[in-house]
Amino acid sequence: GAVVSQHPSRVICKSGTSVKIECRSLDFQATTMFWYRQFPKQSLMLMATSNEGSKATYEQGVEKDKFLINHASLTLSTLTVTSAHPEDSSFYICSARVGSGANVLTFGAGSRLTV
Amino acid sequence: GENVEQHPSTLSVQEGDSAVIKCTYSDSASNYFPWYKQELGKRPQLIIDIRSNVGEKKDQRIAVTLNKTAKHFSLHITETQPEDSAVYFCAASQGTSGTYKYIFGTGTRLKVLA
Repeated sequence: GAVVSQHPSRVICKSGTSVKIECRSLDFQATTMFWYRQFPKQSLMLMATSNEGSKATYEQGVEKDKFLINHASLTLSTLTVTSAHPEDSSFYICSARVGSGANVLTFGAGSRLTV
Repeated sequence: GENVEQHPSTLSVQEGDSAVIKCTYSDSASNYFPWYKQELGKRPQLIIDIRSNVGEKKDQRIAVTLNKTAKHFSLHITETQPEDSAVYFCAASQGTSGTYKYIFGTGTRLKVLA
């Protein structure tokens, strides 16, 4: 089946540094990918929709300059957390829609960021 | 925008009993309702979904019902087993503008007691 690969699975960084998380669709092309943030024992909060070849669409309250999203190819989207601070520590999960005209989302394994 | 509420937040059942999780949504334009299961430290996995033109769907021990008028849908798990223990998320999605944005419920932590 369709697989979404996400790296790194865990990352620890110092406050003020930037961290890049990669999300790749394996064996299928993803024109749209979604980035979610999940706090411990909480739900998946949609941060932004990543669109191949165009700017990402951010949800209300998400700082676009803080969370930079790049979707340069049909199989790769990246999320960069810039100038990370302890409050940015969280579990970040990407997902991609599988199949044209289909709604099914498949998720990456997630990246746990600790600042 | 869409808002999805999910109840209960935690649910404990004896092995073999049934479990029911309920969700309500606010946007009548939503037309696709998936359920995901997330085990500790793992990615969410789709377990069943239903589209707005269907009232009920069943897959072995799992079933989902949808009431479009009332804007609510439910997950039913019968003959629960310990391996059903996980966090379950409902979601609502709509295909407007080709975005298929998913809005998730707050999750239900299901514990199946052996």
